[in-house]
Amino acid sequence: QSALTQPRSVSGSPGQSVTISCTGTSSDVGYYDYVSWYQRHPGRAPKLLIYDVTERPSGVPDRFSGSKSGNTASLTISGLQTEDEADYYCCSFGGNYYVFGTGTKVTVL
Amino acid sequence: QVQLVQSGAEVRKPGAAVKVSCQASGYTLTDYYMFWVRQAPGQGLEWMGWINPNAGGTNYAQKFQGRVSMTRDTSTNTAYMELSRLTSDDTAVYYCARDFRPPNIPASLDYWGQGTLVSVSS
Repeated sequence: QSALTQPRSVSGSPGQSVTISCTGTSSDVGYYDYVSWYQRHPGRAPKLLIYDVTERPSGVPDRFSGSKSGNTASLTISGLQTEDEADYYCCSFGGNYYVFGTGTKVTVL
Repeated sequence: QVQLVQSGAEVRKPGAAVKVSCQASGYTLTDYYMFWVRQAPGQGLEWMGWINPNAGGTNYAQKFQGRVSMTRDTSTNTAYMELSRLTSDDTAVYYCARDFRPPNIPASLDYWGQGTLVSVSS
């Protein structure tokens, strides 16, 4: 199972929106509505942002939203804030395995 | 509050094994599946497998089958991940993470340990 494909980096100014794509296959992202997104600041453990493609755990700001079309899931950060500068990883269920994305560094300009 | 506290950094020689612990507090270990994920230097996150601490059942990523063993000690609320026949490619930070979903629903990981650095070098 190959890692899901994410852009290496995206950037935006404070207040702008950025979208991170996560491309898998018809066996994982395209087949199951079980994509999650994690935020990871350097030296810290990952934090769950989105699960089941679109669901936010309590405490996660509604600036973070998820979607999916075909084999590609997306995470959108609206109203970008400086503290959003971090690495982001998607993860998909694939039947009897889980696969993470390659990771995307978000830079706030 | 829920916490996962992992054991400290380890250094091993190629061919050796390492066992990382993950002690849960703030909840009962047997109530939720535990996942293990690693991140090698400059690489992304990689799923290794999970353990059902209640029954002890496991599911390992194909890449690690035959080399990984996930166990638990319910008396101490602790999960363990042992990886054998180490190579330099196993140098990574290893995380335990709790799956908050019910057992019949694919996982999402809400609490993570602080990570354990395992270095493999001759």
